[in-house]
Amino acid sequence: GAGVSQSPSNKVTEKGKDVELRCDPISGHTALYWYRQRLGQGLEFLIYFQGNSAPDKSGLPSDRFSAERTGESVSTLTIQRTQQEDSAVYLCASSLARVAGNGEQYFGPGTRLTVT
Amino acid sequence: SQQGEEDPQALSIQEGENATMNCSYKTSINNLQWYRQNSGRGLVHLILIRSNEREKHSGRLRVTLDTSKKSSSLLITASRAADTASYFCATDANYKLSFGAGTTVTVRA
Repeated sequence: GAGVSQSPSNKVTEKGKDVELRCDPISGHTALYWYRQRLGQGLEFLIYFQGNSAPDKSGLPSDRFSAERTGESVSTLTIQRTQQEDSAVYLCASSLARVAGNGEQYFGPGTRLTVT
Repeated sequence: SQQGEEDPQALSIQEGENATMNCSYKTSINNLQWYRQNSGRGLVHLILIRSNEREKHSGRLRVTLDTSKKSSSLLITASRAADTASYFCATDANYKLSFGAGTTVTVRA
C-alpha cells in the first residue's frame, strides 16, 4: 500500500518568508510525528499527534514553528519568518495506535528546506 | 536532545565482511529500534528489540540489548554494497523516539 508522502520534496525560500510543509500519513495510522534533521546529524523530535488528543509540541524550537493535523489524516508544519538555521530536512512519520512496547514508525521521504 | 549515541561515527569495510556498530543511551526504555537512511532522506525501520529481550535476528541483522549497561549493538553480516547507508538507533521511552547521530557505513566492492 501507499507509504507516508511529503510535499514538496524540496523547498528553497528567502529568509523571512513563511513556508508550509505537508505530510500524508499511512491510512489508519493514528500517530503522526514531525522531525528535523540537520546535515550530518540525527533526528530532532518536533511534534507528535495521536488521534484526538492534544499534540505534544515539546520539541518545537520556537514559536515560529507550528503544526496542525486534521483528524487522523494530513498534517501541515508551518515555519514563519524563516531563518537560515531552519535549513534542514523535515521528516514526517506515522505509526499505528500505541500499544505497550510497540513503536515502529514509517517515515516519509522528507522535505529538504533551504533558507537563503 | 539526543539520547542514543552511536559508535563509531563512520565505518568502512570490504564487501563480505561484517559490520558492527554500537549504541548507548541514558534513560529507561520500552524498546530500542534501528533504522537505516540512504542519501539523507527517509528512514527505513530495520529491527525493534524490546526491553525484556536480549538478542534478535532479522535476515543478516543481529541486534543485542543490554539494559544493565544501557547499550545495544547492530551486526550486519556478509555486507553488500547496498548496505552502504547511515544507521541510527532510536530509543522509545514513551511514544517519542530519540535518535542518535548515526553511524555512516561504507561497503567497498
